[in-house]
Formats: sequence, C-alpha cells, structure tokens
Amino acid sequence: AQRVTQPEKLLSVFKGAPVELKCNYSYSGSPELFWYVQYSRQRLQLLLRHISRESIKGFTADLNKGETSFHLKKPFAQEEDSAMYYCALSLNFGNEKLTFGTGTRLTIIP
Amino acid sequence: GAVVSQHPSWVICKSGTSVKIECRSLDFQATTMFWYRQFPKQSLMLMATSNEGSKATYEQGVEKDKFLINHASLTLSTLTVTSAHPEDSSFYICSARDLVGGLAKNIQYFGAGTRLSVL
Repeated sequence: AQRVTQPEKLLSVFKGAPVELKCNYSYSGSPELFWYVQYSRQRLQLLLRHISRESIKGFTADLNKGETSFHLKKPFAQEEDSAMYYCALSLNFGNEKLTFGTGTRLTIIP
Repeated sequence: GAVVSQHPSWVICKSGTSVKIECRSLDFQATTMFWYRQFPKQSLMLMATSNEGSKATYEQGVEKDKFLINHASLTLSTLTVTSAHPEDSSFYICSARDLVGGLAKNIQYFGAGTRLSVL
C-alpha cells in the first residue's frame, strides 16, 4: 500500500533562514504528489503539486523518484509561513484519492 | 477560487442520536467528494469517496452503516453519523474535486470541517 512519511512533526526556523520540510513516499507506480497547507483557523488548501512545477509563495518542491521524495523548500522563511503542512499522494494521474502524511507544524521565529 | 462549504462547523449531540453533516461546492460542480476524519494532532484519514448518483466507496475499516453518505446532486454530499457514540467524536472534513478537466482535474478543495462532540 502507498504511504507518505513526514519525519518532522515540528519544525522551527528563524525568519529569513531557509526552510525544508521533508516528505518521502512509498509507491512503485507513478504517483502525483501535493503539498497542502493549513494556516491557523483556516481550512486546508493546496499549496503546490509536482506536475505544475511552479513556485507558490516562494515555495518549491521537486519530485525525486530515485529517492522517492518530494521535499518542500523555501530559501528565506517569512513569519506568515507558520502553518501546518501536509504532503499528499495520489496513486495515478486522474485518481482522486489522496493519502496524507502526518503533517509538519512549521513555526517561523521572528 | 473554488469554495466548499461545510455545515455545521460544530455540533454536540447525545449518545445514540444521529448527526448529519453537509458538504456543498458553492461555485463548481463536483461529481466526486471525499469525507475525512481527523483525530487530534493526527493526519487526515480518508473515510469514503462519495460519487454523485451512485453508492459511496468506503475505505477499509469504515462502517458504511454507521457513516451514511448521500451524494444526490453535483453540489451536495451529506455524511450522517448514525447512533453516535463518544468514540465517534472527531473532526470531520469534506473535500470536493473540481469537475473541470485538465490540470485542475485532480485538485481537491476542502471544507472548513465539522467538530462533532458526542456526550
């Protein structure tokens, strides 16, 4: 069965420092990977997906099939980046079901 | 962007009663909606996939007679927790998939969630 692992439950980073939230997955096929974010008192929302290959709010993520990873990165953290981040996987393109990781709570220290 | 409305946001009920939660896509049509459950400080666990006009597909371990799902239209899915007990207390979240094809096809838009407390 597919699995998404986010090894860090909590991550604190100083403002202006680089951020990396780790995500590893296990699945032998060609998955689609997503990062969802939940800001305080807000609903879960899509941050980015690997097929779009775009940068959202300064965040990027590259799918590394060799390492089965999809780490989320930002070169300079901002206070408004504090949130809960979930990595998620769908089995194949067009397959809607999402498997979520356990999430990482990112706190940016002013 | 696409908006999903979930109602109620919080409900308290007595043990043995049933509770209905609504999930609506406000500005788009959704043939597929999803219901998740989230325990405190844990991730979202998919309970079932709701398909408009057909029976829901439940994940392993989820009792379909306990969690009744109805998806009668392209904009509304409901989850009814029947004969609720304290162990059913949780945060329930719905999501809807935008019907528009192409790259947008596999994006889920989430409701704000419903906190259920069973006394």
